Formats: sequence, C-alpha cells, structure tokens
Amino acid sequence: GENVEQHPSTLSVQEGDSAVIKCTYSDSASNYFPWYKQELGKRPQLIIDIRSNVGEKKDQRIAVTLNKTAKHFSLHITETQPEDSAVYFCAASPNDYKLSFGAGTTVTVRA
Amino acid sequence: GAVVSQHPSWVICKSGTSVKIECRSLDFQATTMFWYRQFPKQSLMLMATSNEGSKATYEQGVEKDKFLINHASLTLSTLTVTSAHPEDSSFYICSAYEGRGSYEQYFGPGTRLTVT
Repeated sequence: GENVEQHPSTLSVQEGDSAVIKCTYSDSASNYFPWYKQELGKRPQLIIDIRSNVGEKKDQRIAVTLNKTAKHFSLHITETQPEDSAVYFCAASPNDYKLSFGAGTTVTVRA
Repeated sequence: GAVVSQHPSWVICKSGTSVKIECRSLDFQATTMFWYRQFPKQSLMLMATSNEGSKATYEQGVEKDKFLINHASLTLSTLTVTSAHPEDSSFYICSAYEGRGSYEQYFGPGTRLTVT
C-alpha cells in the first residue's frame, strides 16, 4: 500500500514568515495529493489539493508543488498568521481513492 | 454544499458494551464512505471503505467482527464498535466520496468515543 512520510513533525515560525512542509510517497500510481488543516477536536479541512498532471497550484497564501519523478510534494504557506496555527496533514491517493495520510506537522505561528 | 454529519459527537460507554456511530451525507449521494480512527496527537488511520449495498473492505489489522460497518443507503453509513474496551477509545471520523470525477472526500465532524 501507499506510504506517506511527512516532515517536519513540528514547525514554529514568526508571524509573517513562510512555512514549508514536505511529504514523500511510495506508490507511483498515486495521482491525488490533498493537504488538510486540523484544529484540535475538529474535522480535517481541505486547504488545497493537486492532481498528478499539475506541477504547482496556488490559492492566495497557500501553494503546493508536486515532483512526480522524485515522488514528493510540498505545502508552502506565505505571510503566516496566528490563525494558521494547527496540525497539517498531507495525503496521497491511488486510483481507488483511498487516502493515506502523513504523520502530521504541528505548526505554531508566533505573534 | 457537501456536508457530512456524524452522530453522536461524543459518547461514553462501559467496557463490553456496543456503540453505533452514524455518518450521513446531507446534500449529496456518497458512492463510497470511509471510516478513520485518530488517536491523540496521531494521524488519521483508515479503518475501512464502504460502498452502498456491499460489504465493507477493511484495512489490514482492523477486526471486521469488532468494527461492524453497514452502508444501507447512498447517504448513510454506520460503524458499530462491538464489545468496546478502553483501548478502543479514540476519535472516529467518517468521510464521504461523491465521485463524479472529483477526488475530494468530505469529512464528518468526528465522534469522540470514551470507553470506561
């Protein structure tokens, strides 16, 4: 099955700085890569996703890049704000639409 | 649109009893629903995949006789934790997949299960 590794496990940034989270996946058949933000006790919230036929996608302060050859993808958050503090999960999905999640990154934005 | 609900939001039960959790897609028909378990400070682990009208497919290591899944309609899936034990205490989250060319899964708000 798919194995997703996520780094770092914790990330502390100063407000206004950028945050980068990296993930690698093992199954070359994976073709859908979503990123989720989860606050304590809440459901995961999709913040951005990318399909395998695209190398980069951006939505305001959030961007995702995908390198299929190297089997890794990254989340970039620019101009971080305190409300960006949360746990972020990457995931990968092969053709059967099941999601395999990374271990998560706890992001803390210092005011 | 694309709202998924879960009931109950939290439940406390005694060891040895069974608990049923409902997952509903409120404004769309879900071809597939997924059940996840999340322990504190850990990631979401897929337990099983259920399709309407057919038996659920369980992930390796998940006991199908302990975690009973029923997907009776395109808008409702239930997870029953049978003979619950304290180690089953966790956050259970469902998601629903509509299909139609979209890969997005819509997550329910989760159910916090505490077994005493």
